[in-house]
Amino acid sequence: NAGVTQTPKFRVLKTGQSMTLLCAQDMNHEYMYWYRQDPGMGLRLIHYSVGEGTTAKGEVPDGYNVSRLKKQNFLLGLESAAPSQTSVYFCASSYSIAEDSTGELFFGEGSRLTVL
Amino acid sequence: AQKVTQAQTEISVVEKEDVTLDCVYETRDTTYYLFWYKQPPSGELVFLIRRNSFDEQNEISGRYSWNFQKSTSSFNFTITASQVVDSAVYFCALDTRDDKIIFGKGTRLHILP
Repeated sequence: NAGVTQTPKFRVLKTGQSMTLLCAQDMNHEYMYWYRQDPGMGLRLIHYSVGEGTTAKGEVPDGYNVSRLKKQNFLLGLESAAPSQTSVYFCASSYSIAEDSTGELFFGEGSRLTVL
Repeated sequence: AQKVTQAQTEISVVEKEDVTLDCVYETRDTTYYLFWYKQPPSGELVFLIRRNSFDEQNEISGRYSWNFQKSTSSFNFTITASQVVDSAVYFCALDTRDDKIIFGKGTRLHILP
């Protein structure tokens, strides 16, 4: 049982390059999230999705785009990478318990991105 | 707006001491959920507890206990008889009706042998 899988695990980009981080979950979860973790800043929500075909902005969405074309996948795109986007990115998924109620987050192992 | 504050950036205690990690939250919703997660030095994020806003009973799980007080908007976490393996970053998080799950900045806990 893989749980939540993120690819790639590490990536180095040059300023202005684009890339996509893939998050895949095999638990049939409705909810998926992308966070970034920076020293002293905790986990900040970039974008999230409450179901296939839906996405919404989180706390720090600028410079990122997302897509949820399939329920099991949540893609995070950087169109033109900037050094400020150097971070560790975590994907997470969760299940619906009841209306407006989600269970705990299941996290991927993280993806370390460096933008030079 | 939703907000989670973990005022303690870093705490160091000697092994076997008790330690409490503070979490204060802000929300205008009456229905919400609070969480604690642990991030050990290996980097993965581990779920510890989920609590809904209607359940103010304290929870105990082994050496871990949680004190939820709506009157002070706090959801504090206590480790009793701390061990070196408890060294980690601990995050408090808030889930409200808009499905955003917001984290605090975390408290880095050092348990000294």
